[in-house]
Amino acid sequence: NAGVTQTPKFRVLKTGQSMTLLCAQDMNHEYMYWYRQDPGMGLRLIHYSVGEGTTAKGEVPDGYNVSRLKKQNFLLGLESAAPSQTSVYFCASSYVGQGAHEQFFGPGTRLTVL
Amino acid sequence: AQKITQTQPGMFVQEKEAVTLDCTYDTSDPSYGLFWYKQPSSGEMIFLIYQGSYDQQNATEGRYSLNFQKARKSANLVISASQLGDSAMYFCAMRESGSARQLTFGSGTQLTVLP
Repeated sequence: NAGVTQTPKFRVLKTGQSMTLLCAQDMNHEYMYWYRQDPGMGLRLIHYSVGEGTTAKGEVPDGYNVSRLKKQNFLLGLESAAPSQTSVYFCASSYVGQGAHEQFFGPGTRLTVL
Repeated sequence: AQKITQTQPGMFVQEKEAVTLDCTYDTSDPSYGLFWYKQPSSGEMIFLIYQGSYDQQNATEGRYSLNFQKARKSANLVISASQLGDSAMYFCAMRESGSARQLTFGSGTQLTVLP
């Protein structure tokens, strides 16, 4: 099992360009999440999904859109990138049910917006 | 208000000694969970340990234990017998009930283990 994978691993954009980050999980998890990590700060939730076809806003959703057309995939889009979106982006997924059910994280995507 | 507070930006510990990383939290939800993750310099997020708010005993996982003091709203991570490979950033996180299992993270503690 690959767990949670993210594509691409690195990307450099110019201000105003668009891009899509792809997250895929093979653990049949219902819940998926997108976080960003900035220096000196913990991870902050951008958007999340509780199942195929559903999405919801997290703490810092502005400038991002998401889609979950298939259960195993969760896409994060930047329509018009800004330097403030320079960050490391993490995707995560988790199981539904009682108990710990920790979130499993992908390896991250390092995005630089010039 | 900060939901998760980690007051130690950086910590040093001698190899083979124990170290405690502090975490305090703020919630009015009676049902919540507390997590610790490790992030080595390679960048991945590694789950270490979990404590549920109703758990009677402190969680332990190998060399990791969680010192859970509910009344003080603290959930400190204790690493026993530190190893060089423990050098990493450590994040405390909280999950509240009815929140689609989202995590709220602290700002992290950078631990350096000295030989």
